[in-house]
Amino acid sequence: QAGLTQPPSVSKGLRQTATLTCTGNSNNVGFQGAVWLQQHQGHPPKLLSYRNNNRPSRISERFSASTSGNTASLTISGLQPEDEADYYCSAWDSGLSAYVFGAGTKVTVL
Amino acid sequence: EVQLVESGGGLVQPGGSLRLSCVASGFAFGDYRMDWVRQAPGKGLEWLSYINNGGDSIHYADSVKGRFTISRDNAKNSLYLQMNSLRDEDTAVYYCARDDYDTTAPFDYWGQGTPVTVSS
Repeated sequence: QAGLTQPPSVSKGLRQTATLTCTGNSNNVGFQGAVWLQQHQGHPPKLLSYRNNNRPSRISERFSASTSGNTASLTISGLQPEDEADYYCSAWDSGLSAYVFGAGTKVTVL
Repeated sequence: EVQLVESGGGLVQPGGSLRLSCVASGFAFGDYRMDWVRQAPGKGLEWLSYINNGGDSIHYADSVKGRFTISRDNAKNSLYLQMNSLRDEDTAVYYCARDDYDTTAPFDYWGQGTPVTVSS
């Protein structure tokens, strides 16, 4: 099943802003948007964002998401060392009747 | 506190079978859809299967269709994944995840995962 497209890596300096992208099509990201997940090495993923910039209460306001057409974006402002992690996007694909994931973006804080 | 605890992973030979379990607590299990997601060593996340709260709507990824079977027992707050005809490429950590797609989001809570190794 075709996945979503994410850049493999993003590197930014401490306290800078990183923007991650996730490109799909009208059946998935363009259908009902994407969710974003953060995964630290050796840990399960954690939900960061859903339905266009809704965040679970435990998630910092430094994480914000948006969608434009078939591309979802996650912006991490004021990068902190603990933001170094892998970030995945996912969406329900109405054509496949399946969830699809991106391959993940590794964020490095310099 | 929402908790999901997977078990049943281990070492199995190619062609063998395993049954994974996921026990839920801290929420009304029978009200939620559930998913299985796996992660091969050094790789990304791969969605495998979804089951609705009543167990009568099920979907699978093409990679496991016909080999894996998802099921649930709401009375036992448990989710299962029966894995048959296992292949080397099924080696991964298997996670169960709560799915609140209709209200908020899929994958809002995850278990710690159970590792499966398929090798002779």
